[in-house]
Amino acid sequence: AQSVTQPDIHITVSEGASLELRCNYSYGATPYLFWYVQSPGQGLQLLLKYFSGDTLVQGIKGFEAEFKRSQSSFNLRKPSVHWSDAAEYFCAVVKAGNMLTFGGGTRLMVKP
Amino acid sequence: NAGVTQTPKFQVLKTGQSMTLQCAQDMNHEYMSWYRQDPGMGLRLIHYSVGAGITDQGEVPNGYNVSRSTTEDFPLRLLSAAPSQTSVYFCASSYDGGAGDEQFFGPGTRLTVL
Repeated sequence: AQSVTQPDIHITVSEGASLELRCNYSYGATPYLFWYVQSPGQGLQLLLKYFSGDTLVQGIKGFEAEFKRSQSSFNLRKPSVHWSDAAEYFCAVVKAGNMLTFGGGTRLMVKP
Repeated sequence: NAGVTQTPKFQVLKTGQSMTLQCAQDMNHEYMSWYRQDPGMGLRLIHYSVGAGITDQGEVPNGYNVSRSTTEDFPLRLLSAAPSQTSVYFCASSYDGGAGDEQFFGPGTRLTVL
């Protein structure tokens, strides 16, 4: 069965510092992977997605993620965090069709 | 374009009551789905639809019904609410349900069952 694990429930970084959010997946074939962001009281917004090809994908708001098949990981990164990045981040993998399986989420807090 | 809209934003029910959560999209998307979000568990798929007249169960369908009579609307019905259904509910839509489609999410409905 496919699953997605986000090992860090909460992460706190200082504004301007770099960020890496971890995501591990289990899947039998080449996965379709996504990162979504949820601001407080809002729905989810797609940050980026990976299907195939180049393992480093660029997204919106200065985020990027790297697919590493050998480690079954799809970690999200940002070189310099802004206060407005404080939110909850979800990694997800596509099951059959368009059915998404989500990780438990990582809540990011940004210190001034 | 309003995107995906959901009503109501908040709802409190008593155990055993019924209600319908509304979801509409104006993007002419074929695929629509309902998720529930619980702390530490991410979002879990309740039901989905690949087009008008076609629905199917997701990961956690028990206690919920859906129908899809039009492309635009995909209501979620709770026939007899239970405290375990206290959650935040999100509706989503995508163009045709292909694996690469971006899903667009509504703002959510926060439901409390007492």
